[in-house]
Amino acid sequence: NAGVIQTPRHKVTGKGQEATLWCEPISGHSAVFWYRQTIVQGLEFLTYFRNQAPIDDSGMPKERFSAQMPNQSHSTLKIQSTQPQDSAVYLCASSSDWGVDTQYFGPGTRLLVL
Amino acid sequence: GQQVQQSPASLVLQEGENAELQCNFSTSLNSMQWFYQRPGGSLVSLFYNPSGTKHSGRLTSTTVIKERRSSLHISSSQTTDSGTYLCALPRITGNTGKLIFGLGTTLQVQP
Repeated sequence: NAGVIQTPRHKVTGKGQEATLWCEPISGHSAVFWYRQTIVQGLEFLTYFRNQAPIDDSGMPKERFSAQMPNQSHSTLKIQSTQPQDSAVYLCASSSDWGVDTQYFGPGTRLLVL
Repeated sequence: GQQVQQSPASLVLQEGENAELQCNFSTSLNSMQWFYQRPGGSLVSLFYNPSGTKHSGRLTSTTVIKERRSSLHISSSQTTDSGTYLCALPRITGNTGKLIFGLGTTLQVQP
């Protein structure tokens, strides 16, 4: 079991460019979560899929951020027109049950917007 | 306000000393989770602890549901224990089980 896989591990973009982050959940897990970690805000929930369906995106910024899960083996988080304040570590997690099981985290993608 | 409060914010120990990390919740909880994060590293689950006491090596987690608190005890600390310890509360509403995190306790164990 390779655990949750996230690519790339590091990404540097210029202001206004697009960034796409990838997550491969643990095989067989039905729930996929995206979080963002910054020094100031700590770890914040962004969005959540269950059986590939978007369930809760209450943490997603209303503009420029979108997430998809086209199949059970991967999810993407896309940030359009990146801004310096988007710089953070973006973490993906998966679990076998949405509410009562441990969430397993990937290594994260460190995004730096210049 | 912060739903999950951790204390202390930071802690410096000499190797061999014990540590007690606290997590308090402003809302009711059915379960909670302790994580460890090495600087620049990913989150590693330490305990998924609905209630009571659990042990794993030198780590002990104790959660008292009705008092809305959990503690993580590290005995005989080692330099490799250095890092950030985070507690998290699953917020189960509808079909969502998202985690609400505290800001963490940064532990530094000196040789």
